[in-house]
Amino acid sequence: QVQLQESGPGLVKPSETLSLTCSVSGYSVSSGYYWGCIRQSPGMGLEWIGSVHHSGSSYYNPSLKSRVTMSLDTSQNLFYLTLSSVTAADTAVYYCVRVEAAAGMNSFDPWGQGTLVTVSS
Amino acid sequence: QSALTQPRSVSGSPGQSVTISCTGTRSDVGGYNYVSWFQQHPGKAPKLLMYHVTQRPSGVPDRFSGSKSGNTASLTISGLQAEDEADYYCSSHAGSNIVVLFGGGTKLTVL
Repeated sequence: QVQLQESGPGLVKPSETLSLTCSVSGYSVSSGYYWGCIRQSPGMGLEWIGSVHHSGSSYYNPSLKSRVTMSLDTSQNLFYLTLSSVTAADTAVYYCVRVEAAAGMNSFDPWGQGTLVTVSS
Repeated sequence: QSALTQPRSVSGSPGQSVTISCTGTRSDVGGYNYVSWFQQHPGKAPKLLMYHVTQRPSGVPDRFSGSKSGNTASLTISGLQAEDEADYYCSSHAGSNIVVLFGGGTKLTVL
């Protein structure tokens, strides 16, 4: 079955760039779905970050758009999230998801287990 | 866009039914039939429960049902079970620029 696995830095300094890698197994990232990232601040709700397709199409949360880039590596079957100029407010568990575009771009299934990224000096 | 509005908590006894609401605007919930619901147990990743307002993914029990009226979507859980105790989040498509909104989450307590 499809599985996603996040790998991230764990700790990022303020003003630096957060880089997250999402590895996909059991499905090709070049086979039709969008691939996305969602985060959850400690004790808080969910926030959509963005979604990307192998065609180059991408959509980002307007509140993060100026700092976010997402891309796919079809040769390694993974996708990336970079978030620049981070602050403490970016501390969160970051999830990788598969996105069903035909269902409105908010049908996220499955989810990775999530990785905690803390922004602190 | 603002987050969708959900009650912070709901509760029910085993066997009962509970309904969780998710209120938006005509620019999101009211404007599209693209409401999804997610269940999250403590320390776990969320799980897709419902999409396209009423559609259940394979493996989700039919005790879970979704509906929408105007700008408010609802998730109803019938025949409550202890394992249903979790946080529930709604989500909606919002706008032609493909924006996705989430609700603030509802904690379901099974008494």
